[in-house]
Amino acid sequence: DVKVTQSSRYLVKRTGEKVFLECVQDMDHENMFWYRQDPGLGLRLIYFSYDVKMKEKGDIPEGYSVSREKKERFSLILESASTNQTSMYLCASSRDRALNTQYFGPGTRLTVL
Amino acid sequence: RKEVEQDPGPFNVPEGATVAFNCTYSNSASQSFFWYRQDCRKEPKLLMSVYSSGNEDGRFTAQLNRASQYISLLIRDSKLSDSATYLCVVTPFRSSNTGKLIFGQGTTLQVKP
Repeated sequence: DVKVTQSSRYLVKRTGEKVFLECVQDMDHENMFWYRQDPGLGLRLIYFSYDVKMKEKGDIPEGYSVSREKKERFSLILESASTNQTSMYLCASSRDRALNTQYFGPGTRLTVL
Repeated sequence: RKEVEQDPGPFNVPEGATVAFNCTYSNSASQSFFWYRQDCRKEPKLLMSVYSSGNEDGRFTAQLNRASQYISLLIRDSKLSDSATYLCVVTPFRSSNTGKLIFGQGTTLQVKP
């Protein structure tokens, strides 16, 4: 069974803080993704990575950066958190570029005050 | 225009009813199609892939109409446990080697006793 874990279920931060969201998958997947999910907007892709140290911008990368130093770990970084980054953040992984099934972590509900 | 459009609902149906959701996609070059299910406060999970010839999995039937660029999901004999949000998912244009997916905002189903 694929397992994707995220470091926190709930997080409260203040405007201007640097925020790290961690995601770990245990199935040796090549691809990893970060999404945010907001009511009425659905899932929107922030960044993804298809290999260690590789990253690609998704649809809404502004205000975010990522790091993938090890295959199993993909970190999302909010350099200076803002209130409009309050959201549910979901990490996902998939085996490789050819197979599209994505497995999601439980999500991190981030509130920026 | 959104790449994937769904009626957000909610669809309120009694137990035992048959319910159908449609989803339209904008890019005729999309190759792969899926339905994901997301329970309240949980992560999305793959429900089923959608094949050109249509496919069935128990009470669930998925159909693809490439000419009209829509996908449907039919649920027969609805159960209380079917209450969830159903996400229509397609591969974006020129994504055959990235593993990226485009998610619709979801259709919410509430099955009532």
